Amino acid sequence: DIVMTQSPDSLAVSLGERATINCKSSQSVLYSSNKKNYFAWYQQKPGQPPKLLIYWASTRESGVPDRFSGSGSGTDFTLTINNLQAEDVAVYYCQQYYSNPRTFGQGTKLEIK
Amino acid sequence: QVQLVESGGGVVQPGRSLRLSCAASGFTFSSYGMHWVRQAPGKGLEWVALMSYNGRDKYYADSVKGRFTISRDNSKNTLYLQMDSLRAEDTAVYYCVKDGQSYGDYVWCGDWGQGTPVTVSS
Repeated sequence: DIVMTQSPDSLAVSLGERATINCKSSQSVLYSSNKKNYFAWYQQKPGQPPKLLIYWASTRESGVPDRFSGSGSGTDFTLTINNLQAEDVAVYYCQQYYSNPRTFGQGTKLEIK
Repeated sequence: QVQLVESGGGVVQPGRSLRLSCAASGFTFSSYGMHWVRQAPGKGLEWVALMSYNGRDKYYADSVKGRFTISRDNSKNTLYLQMDSLRAEDTAVYYCVKDGQSYGDYVWCGDWGQGTPVTVSS
C-alpha cells in the first residue's frame, strides 16, 4: 500500500498570510504513460463532509478560490493557501488514487493565529 | 445538482451485520464508479471500497476485505455496503462518494454525501 504522510500535523497562520501543507507518498504516483500525478487534496470543515479542492496534483476543482494551489510531482506535493481567510479553517487531507487501496494522509489542521 | 443520501447506519453489536444504502440523484449514476469512505470519531479519512460503474469490478481496503461487500443497483440509482462480522473498530461515519470521472480510470473522490454514522458496541 502507498503510505501518505502529511506535514505538519497542525499549523496556525495569520489572516492574509500564506499557509503551506506538504504531503509525501511512499512511492511515486506519477503515471509514466500520461505524465499525470494521481494525487488530490481535500478540505474538511467541522461537521461537514470533505470537499475536493485539487486533483491531478494541481488542477483546481470548479468553484475553488484561486488562492488555493497545488504543486509537486512524483512523491512530494504541496498545498498552498495564499491570503488566508477565516473560512479556510479546516482539516486538509491528501490522497493518492494511483493504486488500490486508495490512501489518505493523516490530515493537517489549519487554524488562525 | 449531485445528491448522495446515505441511510442504514445505527448501533449494532459486535459480530452482527448492517447494510448501508446510498441514494444518488442529479447525475447519470450508471456512468460513474462509486466509493465508500469512512471516518472514525475524531480521526482521519479511510477509503473503504470502490465499485466500477457497471458493477463488474470491486476493490476493498485490507481492513474490511472478506467482511464488507459493495454492490449497486443501477436501475434504482443506489449504492450499497453490506457490512458483516462488525467490529468495534468499524465505528465511523460512512460516506458515499461519486468518482471524479465517468467510465475509464477511477480517480479522485468527487462529490460526497453527508454520511451515516455506524456504532459497533455491546
